[in-house]
Amino acid sequence: DGGITQSPKYLFRKEGQNVTLSCEQNLNHDAMYWYRQDPGQGLRLIYYSQIVNDFQKGDIAEGYSVSREKKESFPLTVTSAQKNPTAFYLCASGIDRSGYGYTFGSGTRLTVV
Amino acid sequence: KQEVTQIPAALSVPEGENLVLNCSFTDSAIYNLQWFRQDPGKGLTSLLLIQSSQREQTSGRLNASLDKSSGRSTLYIAASQPGDSATYLCAVNQAGTALIFGKGTTLSVSS
Repeated sequence: DGGITQSPKYLFRKEGQNVTLSCEQNLNHDAMYWYRQDPGQGLRLIYYSQIVNDFQKGDIAEGYSVSREKKESFPLTVTSAQKNPTAFYLCASGIDRSGYGYTFGSGTRLTVV
Repeated sequence: KQEVTQIPAALSVPEGENLVLNCSFTDSAIYNLQWFRQDPGKGLTSLLLIQSSQREQTSGRLNASLDKSSGRSTLYIAASQPGDSATYLCAVNQAGTALIFGKGTTLSVSS
């Protein structure tokens, strides 16, 4: 079955640590996206990539980094510079920038301990 | 900068009611608009996508309309059921960017 997989489902981070969230898709989609969701808030865009080896900052990119070395994979690293990382992180992919075929993963809940 | 607003933030209705969720956006230069459903602690599922040239889209008991010039969209849910309880998010697509989301409307349908 085609889809988008995020792992892990739950992640705990100590102060000062970097952590990486995985996002893999087998839909052959060109575009991939990372969003952050806080309670009572909508989705805020962190980074997006419309082609391999290229990515763009979203509205809240500070303290995050990404890579897009393969079409299927778009990992997100939450660095120690992100002061308030506790949130629900959602990865999505799309056929292209048109918005068609937008498919979301099931999310990773990150908690700072 | 595009801003998407959804009203109301929360809605509780008894089973069987017809209901309308509202979405407004500040910049009418959009490619399309989508409505998504999110269950608690889960990812999002696309419900309906309306192209900027279209006025409405229908899927089962759901009907979404778009008035691009006034920056408004509505999601109409007919004969609501407890299984419709979820958060509904509206998102717009502008050229060259990712989807921009509203904060959502959380719907509770009681039996």
